[in-house]
Amino acid sequence: AQSVTQLGSHVSVSEGALVLLRCNYSSSVPPYLFWYVQYPNQGLQLLLKYTTGATLVKGINGFEAEFKKSETSFHLTKPSAHMSDAAEYFCAVSGRAGNQFYFGTGTSLTVIP
Amino acid sequence: ETGVTQSPTHLIKTRGQQVTLRCSSQSGHNTVSWYQQALGQGPQFIFQYYREEENGRGNFPPRFSGLQFPNYSSELNVNALELDDSALYLCASSYRQGLDSPLHFGNGTRLTVT
Repeated sequence: AQSVTQLGSHVSVSEGALVLLRCNYSSSVPPYLFWYVQYPNQGLQLLLKYTTGATLVKGINGFEAEFKKSETSFHLTKPSAHMSDAAEYFCAVSGRAGNQFYFGTGTSLTVIP
Repeated sequence: ETGVTQSPTHLIKTRGQQVTLRCSSQSGHNTVSWYQQALGQGPQFIFQYYREEENGRGNFPPRFSGLQFPNYSSELNVNALELDDSALYLCASSYRQGLDSPLHFGNGTRLTVT
């Protein structure tokens, strides 16, 4: 079965500082990995995805993530945090049948002015 | 391009009642999935519909049921509501079945069971 673990349920960074949100996955097959962002009272918005090919994936709003098979990780980064980045972030892996996504428990990002 | 829309946005029901939630998928998408997101948790897969048939189900009891219509819109029905059913219910559509097809989410229906 597939699963993801997000380390750190809450992360605080200063505006302009590096954002690093951690995600480790477990999968018995080559995984497809996703990062989503959720703003209050909204659904989830796709930030980026890794399927095949380049291991460094660039997404929207300046975010990127690197797939590291040896570490079973897919951490999300952004060089410089903006106040508008404050939200809940979810890492997800798709299941073998392609019909189910397994989400982590989320990381709440706070950006301090 | 029209995104995923869900109705209603909020709903309050009493334990034991039945509820129907509705979803219109993004144009061009033929697959609809439903997720339950409890407070402070990540979304949990309920089921997926593809070409009007259930195409996978998560660990939810049979009182959770669904439909997909020819226009790819969908309904989620929950019978005999329990207090623990209080959650945000998210509908997501995608272009096709497939391991790499991302989900496009609606804003959800917030269900409160009292």
